[in-house]
Amino acid sequence: ETVMTQSPATLSVSPGERATLSCRASQSVSSSLVWYQQKPGQAPRLLIYGASTRATGIPDRFSGSGSGTEFTLTISSLQSEDFAVYYCQQYDNWPPITFGQGTRLEIK
Amino acid sequence: QVQLVQSGAEVKKPGASVKVSCKASGYSFTNHIMHWVRQAPGQRLEWMGWINTGNGNTKNAQKFQGRVTVTRDTSATTVYMELSGLRSEDTAVYYCARQYCDPNNCFSAILGYWGQGTLVTVSS
Repeated sequence: ETVMTQSPATLSVSPGERATLSCRASQSVSSSLVWYQQKPGQAPRLLIYGASTRATGIPDRFSGSGSGTEFTLTISSLQSEDFAVYYCQQYDNWPPITFGQGTRLEIK
Repeated sequence: QVQLVQSGAEVKKPGASVKVSCKASGYSFTNHIMHWVRQAPGQRLEWMGWINTGNGNTKNAQKFQGRVTVTRDTSATTVYMELSGLRSEDTAVYYCARQYCDPNNCFSAILGYWGQGTLVTVSS
């Protein structure tokens, strides 16, 4: 099973600034990496797939990069609605699909 | 538009079973894989299994082998997840999630559309 590890656990950033979130896989997942956003009391929302492709309707301030075992989600200019928990997920070595433990992005 | 509407919250005693439903609409039901994912309080998302809604084939995570059963009713465009032998650690929000398709491809293991979640509480 591929273990996904995210860092940091919590990230404090001011609105308008850039946020950079990291995700590491225990073995190569090629570019088969997804990012989700989850707000309190809501289901996750797909943001990025294929490590760098934005899903339908996702603003271009969200960008993803990386391949193999190291991945990054960047939010270029944080808006109030972006403060949430972000999860990465791999789909290269599945089943099982595996998720990271999440990064909480909070207002500084 | 794609909609997944799940059944309501449940409270169960240890050892009991729970069956959660996920009613799909807005797309061709039998053309898309459905997954089940759960989230215990303060924990990461945990994949449980999936069903090919066209032929009914399923695959479950090894952790849940023998305890989870995923089925579908094509006439009702509904997928069901039944978890047996409940224990306190099964207290979680359970989500159904449909595979994602972009204009060129459908991706079996990318979860593009999610139900609202069903809270299952296991308590004596």
